[in-house]
Amino acid sequence: AQSVTQLDSQVPVFEEAPVELRCNYSSSVSVYLFWYVQYPNQGLQLLLKYLSGSTLVKGINGFEAEFNKSQTSFHLRKPSVHISDTAEYFCAVSNSGGSNYKLTFGKGTLLTVNP
Amino acid sequence: NAGVMQNPRHLVRRRGQEARLRCSPMKGHSHVYWYRQLPEEGLKFMVYLQKENIIDESGMPKERFSAEFPKEGPSILRIQQVVRGDSAAYFCASSEIYNEQFFGPGTRLTVL
Repeated sequence: AQSVTQLDSQVPVFEEAPVELRCNYSSSVSVYLFWYVQYPNQGLQLLLKYLSGSTLVKGINGFEAEFNKSQTSFHLRKPSVHISDTAEYFCAVSNSGGSNYKLTFGKGTLLTVNP
Repeated sequence: NAGVMQNPRHLVRRRGQEARLRCSPMKGHSHVYWYRQLPEEGLKFMVYLQKENIIDESGMPKERFSAEFPKEGPSILRIQQVVRGDSAAYFCASSEIYNEQFFGPGTRLTVL
């Protein structure tokens, strides 16, 4: 079985500050990793994904994440946040082999960007 | 191109009633997935369907829950004889084969 731990349920930051949202996973097999964002009253939108290759993944809206296999982590970072980045962020994992459609999500981190 | 549509967005049922949640996938997508988010929990996979076929229902509760994706029309998640523990947000996602899942806005089910 797989699991995802998002270490912070809420992260408040000021506009233009850097932010890191932490994600650790547990799995006995190779994985794919994802970050999704959910704005109020909307569906989850894919920010970025790691399938293979370079461990530094760049996504939309200036976000990036780094896959660290030894630490089983996939932390999300942005060097300078905007008010519009206020949303809930979900880390997710799936098998890299069969059943790779089956996503397992963390509980989410609410990012609040203050002026 | 409209995204994944779910309705209703909010549904209130009394214990023992039936809940029907509908999901219309994105145009051109023939794969549908349902996830449930219980309070204070992450989204959990329930079922994966293709048109007229259930591919993987390993995350579905054994009783009272069923899902279908008919040849025509939306995918339906049906919960019979709801209980308070069924109160949750139910998300639908769709995809082309082996591709990114696109999520709908969810249906918030409240059981009184």
